[in-house]
Amino acid sequence: EPEVTQTPSHQVTQMGQEVILRCVPISNHLYFYWYRQILGQKVEFLVSFYNNEISEKSEIFDDQFSVERPDGSNFTLKIRSTKLEDSAMYFCASREQLNQPQHFGDGTRLSIL
Amino acid sequence: KDQVFQPSTVASSEGAVVEIFCNHSVSNAYNFFWYLHFPGCAPRLLVKGSKPSQQGRYNMTYERFSSSLLILQVREADAAVYYCAGCNAGNNRKLIWGLGTSLAVNP
Repeated sequence: EPEVTQTPSHQVTQMGQEVILRCVPISNHLYFYWYRQILGQKVEFLVSFYNNEISEKSEIFDDQFSVERPDGSNFTLKIRSTKLEDSAMYFCASREQLNQPQHFGDGTRLSIL
Repeated sequence: KDQVFQPSTVASSEGAVVEIFCNHSVSNAYNFFWYLHFPGCAPRLLVKGSKPSQQGRYNMTYERFSSSLLILQVREADAAVYYCAGCNAGNNRKLIWGLGTSLAVNP
């Protein structure tokens, strides 16, 4: 069964550094999402992406965050200057159509030191 | 504010039926989703919908602002975190998640 893949599984970065989290959505999917889960807290929506542009973003998704789909395959989340509070699990999800469920990757654990 | 509420822990015995309750205040919500999550793995969709539905051992009840997940014949391997999520009816159908319910299974 096709699946969403995320790399790396764990990323450790110094505060202030840039980090890029990578996701390969399922190939025929059109809608892409990033969520994050801070330890002990709920999963939170960050951003949705469709037709090569952001369709919605949450208040968490400030100017330090950006997303890209550079080559029609990868879907990346970039954090420009990481803060300690960016430490979390980041989940990528994709769906084929809006009336289909979202499929999730295994997540990337981001640890900011 | 859009929120989803579910208990933090539920305990059950092997072979029993366990119910995990969820309610929400998500505006324009039209579907509930129940996900199973083992740490380190992708959240896995168990059952979803805007009406009662069943997938194998997983039953979902549905009311306008609440849903229950019933797991039949509970096994030790079912010990995991179960997330309830509401989906808004907007253009992006983003998921609004509960905090998750940790299921403990007693042998």
